[in-house]
Amino acid sequence: AQSVAQPEDQVNVAEGNPLTVKCTYSVSGNPYLFWYVQYPNRGLQFLLKYITGDNLVKGSYGFEAEFNKSQTSFHLKKPSALVSDSALYFCAVTLRGDSNYQLIWGAGTKLIIKP
Amino acid sequence: NAGVTQTPKFQVLKTGQSMTLQCAQDMNHEYMSWYRQDPGMGLRLIHYSVGAGITDQGEVPNGYNVSRSTTEDFPLRLLSAAPSQTSVYFCASRPGQTYNEQFFGPGTRLTVL
Repeated sequence: AQSVAQPEDQVNVAEGNPLTVKCTYSVSGNPYLFWYVQYPNRGLQFLLKYITGDNLVKGSYGFEAEFNKSQTSFHLKKPSALVSDSALYFCAVTLRGDSNYQLIWGAGTKLIIKP
Repeated sequence: NAGVTQTPKFQVLKTGQSMTLQCAQDMNHEYMSWYRQDPGMGLRLIHYSVGAGITDQGEVPNGYNVSRSTTEDFPLRLLSAAPSQTSVYFCASRPGQTYNEQFFGPGTRLTVL
């Protein structure tokens, strides 16, 4: 079965420190990978995606993620956390080659940045 | 450009009542979908549409109906509300292919008593 795992329900980071939010996936083919962010009482917003090419992708608000095919991971990173980064982060995966294939979502990781 | 809009923002229903959650997008996106979000479960797909006149079931379709008569609108109907349908509902749209990001509405928080 296709699945996405975000192993940490919550990540706590001090402001100014680097942050990592983990995502691993299990799919039967080659994936497209996404990160979305949800601020309190808001809809989800797109952060970044991996389609092809360079394994390190850069996105909005200074976030980046690295696609690691051998470890089937797509961890989200930021060099220096801001209090305003506190939010719920979702990893999602879909399969290449099928235009109707749906996104498979992780359960989400709550990121708390402390001043 | 309003993006994806949803109404209402909040709704309280009694068990057995029916209602329609409205969703509209002004970006001419082919693909639209409805999700429900429950704590610790991420997003679960209810129904989706790849174009006007075409709809299909997602992961959790029971108790919900959809239709897509125009590109812009994708309403979600609760036929007979149950407490298990208490959730936050999000509508999303994207242009065409699966490698494109989705645009989400602000959500509807539904409580069924």
